[in-house]
Amino acid sequence: AQKITQTQPGMFVQEKEAVTLDCTYDTSDQSYGLFWYKQPSSGEMIFLIYQGSYDEQNATEGRYSLNFQKARKSANLVISASQLGDSAMYFCAMRESYYGNNRLAFGKGNQVVVIP
Amino acid sequence: DTEVTQTPKHLVMGMTNKKSLKCEQHMGHRAMYWYKQKAKKPPELMFVYSYEKLSINESVPSRFSPECPNSSLLNLHLHALQPEDSALYLCASSQDPSGSLSDTQYFGPGTRLTVL
Repeated sequence: AQKITQTQPGMFVQEKEAVTLDCTYDTSDQSYGLFWYKQPSSGEMIFLIYQGSYDEQNATEGRYSLNFQKARKSANLVISASQLGDSAMYFCAMRESYYGNNRLAFGKGNQVVVIP
Repeated sequence: DTEVTQTPKHLVMGMTNKKSLKCEQHMGHRAMYWYKQKAKKPPELMFVYSYEKLSINESVPSRFSPECPNSSLLNLHLHALQPEDSALYLCASSQDPSGSLSDTQYFGPGTRLTVL
């Protein structure tokens, strides 16, 4: 069964507008961590933001914020004031809780194109 | 500094060649990873090294041979590859091999491999 679902088709967003990328996850664990990565066409996976399942506040890092809705099992990424350099593939990933678990379950990604 | 370096950036090899991919980090991280990524797909975990010991091998064919000479270096030796092995190979590192929830994987820029 797929643990991370990212179903939006490619998105076009106007420069300076905000964009929300959807991510839903499936786990029976109470403890888990959620990550978002950005991958431009150059290939490097860039870590953006982390949210722990017990964190009471939604995570924020600069223009990135995470809209964490635990009951709905969703962890949507919000990018405010889009810039041309935000054009990339965005991956949501989850780590479930057990000792020695180094595995991240990745979603299929959301493609974002920022237009001037 | 969250830099992971990989060499070479691009590699073209024939099916009978032997080549190696290199990865280096100087962040004091004790877990290192190899991922394979096909175009427009999420990365797939291949190997994990924890404290320089192989801890996860995701049933990768033996034509891929990882090596961790020390805590900063990770190699991937390639031999008798197939054209379907053409992909982006990403290296990553993280601080905590015990797999704590917030342990973040930092990725290198990748090596684009083409097998002819």
